[in-house]
Amino acid sequence: QSVLTQPPSASGTPGQRVTISCSGSSSNIGSNTVNWYQQLPGTAPKLLIYSNNQRPSGVPDRFSGSKSGTSASLAISGLQSEDEADYYCAAWDDSLNVLVFGGGTKLTVL
Amino acid sequence: EVQLVESGGGLVQPGGSLRLSCAASGFTFSSYAMHWVRQAPGKGLEYVSAISSNGGSTYYANSVKGRFTISRDNSKNTLYLQMGSLRAEDMAVYYCARTPIAVAPPDYWGQGTLVTVSS
Repeated sequence: QSVLTQPPSASGTPGQRVTISCSGSSSNIGSNTVNWYQQLPGTAPKLLIYSNNQRPSGVPDRFSGSKSGTSASLAISGLQSEDEADYYCAAWDDSLNVLVFGGGTKLTVL
Repeated sequence: EVQLVESGGGLVQPGGSLRLSCAASGFTFSSYAMHWVRQAPGKGLEYVSAISSNGGSTYYANSVKGRFTISRDNSKNTLYLQMGSLRAEDMAVYYCARTPIAVAPPDYWGQGTLVTVSS
């Protein structure tokens, strides 16, 4: 049972926009920044979004992040086949004093 | 280019010990905190431990507290994870990851090293 809650799966067709949610509490998302990671099969996680809505250099602007209260979202527009991967959100939790992750969302491009 | 290279994984019997290492390059290692994060086969990411840039502060998940010890040698640009009393549920790919401060999610990740706990 993950501290941050993500839908286990999401899907879309090429060109569509999909959104992945990440729900937490006042001790994690509500008081700290959220990062999003993309994990392609058999590879290490890669930073996609940091500080809620910032994109590292090299990440396409099709990827965007937002945060409101105790929830965060990752949006992917212009969906492409290479976006098929697992996506994770993460934030520090001030009560547990640990880094907490969402359970991951498997994105399928139909 | 930031590089994090883990080593030390392998097969260990239940109750045994193992030390993982993470060699860092391409950035000023002593200026960054570091995390260990693991991923069991077919499962999601699980936080293990974190250490501040100077090693003065350490953090552990409850599942490993008292059994694992995180440390670093800034003169060698290397992060360590000493694992003891290993259990079947500790079997996973272990990633080291860089973070600006210990109480923040990481940015760069290593490629991981597999720890197998089995008799």
